[in-house]
Amino acid sequence: QKEVEQDPGPLSVPEGAIVSLNCTYSNSAFQYFMWYRQYSRKGPELLMYTYSSGNKEDGRFTAQVDKSSKYISLFIRDSQPSDSATYLCAMGKGGGNKLTFGTGTQLKVEL
Amino acid sequence: GAVVSQHPSWVICKSGTSVKIECRSLDFQATTMFWYRQFPKQSLMLMATSNEGSKATYEQGVEKDKFLINHASLTLSTLTVTSAHPEDSSFYICSAREDRVTNEKLFFGSGTQLSVL
Repeated sequence: QKEVEQDPGPLSVPEGAIVSLNCTYSNSAFQYFMWYRQYSRKGPELLMYTYSSGNKEDGRFTAQVDKSSKYISLFIRDSQPSDSATYLCAMGKGGGNKLTFGTGTQLKVEL
Repeated sequence: GAVVSQHPSWVICKSGTSVKIECRSLDFQATTMFWYRQFPKQSLMLMATSNEGSKATYEQGVEKDKFLINHASLTLSTLTVTSAHPEDSSFYICSAREDRVTNEKLFFGSGTQLSVL
């Protein structure tokens, strides 16, 4: 079993839809949770960073962490075609160690 | 967020030659940088952890003599693919973490597409 599970998609939604992206994890040592957006042939861009259970909002993006269920989500409101990309969840144990990434979910927002 | 510059963006080389990829933290110091490899439609695969002033730590299955890493300063790490072969063709991405903060945020370069003929 992988430490981090993420549905690779592809996920296709109409413009304006609310998108829900999710990751589950098995290692309770993970304390830091991040979401990255990666466009084709580009490096990942940090979207959201959280370190506690609960919700964090930034513009159209909301990150949700449920440590008791080992489940994290990223919600995108009013999705736009420019949101079409691969979204990677990442988790860290702290201490400056390496992050563990999900496989990424490919999202396509259609006009 | 912090900016990581990676150069070149793409490179085409002949089989048997060596290719160097540079990764710079532009506005922060980074004792530790990470090098990843990514195949089409797949996630990031960590190759090695680059530490300033010391030897890199390679992940299992990554040949250290094949992928030479040099982290000579707090703002520069280089990855050299030695005697490249077509199977080394891939997208290589570096990342860095800011020294002066205690969060776990990792910032990525824009990646280098390597094509070996």
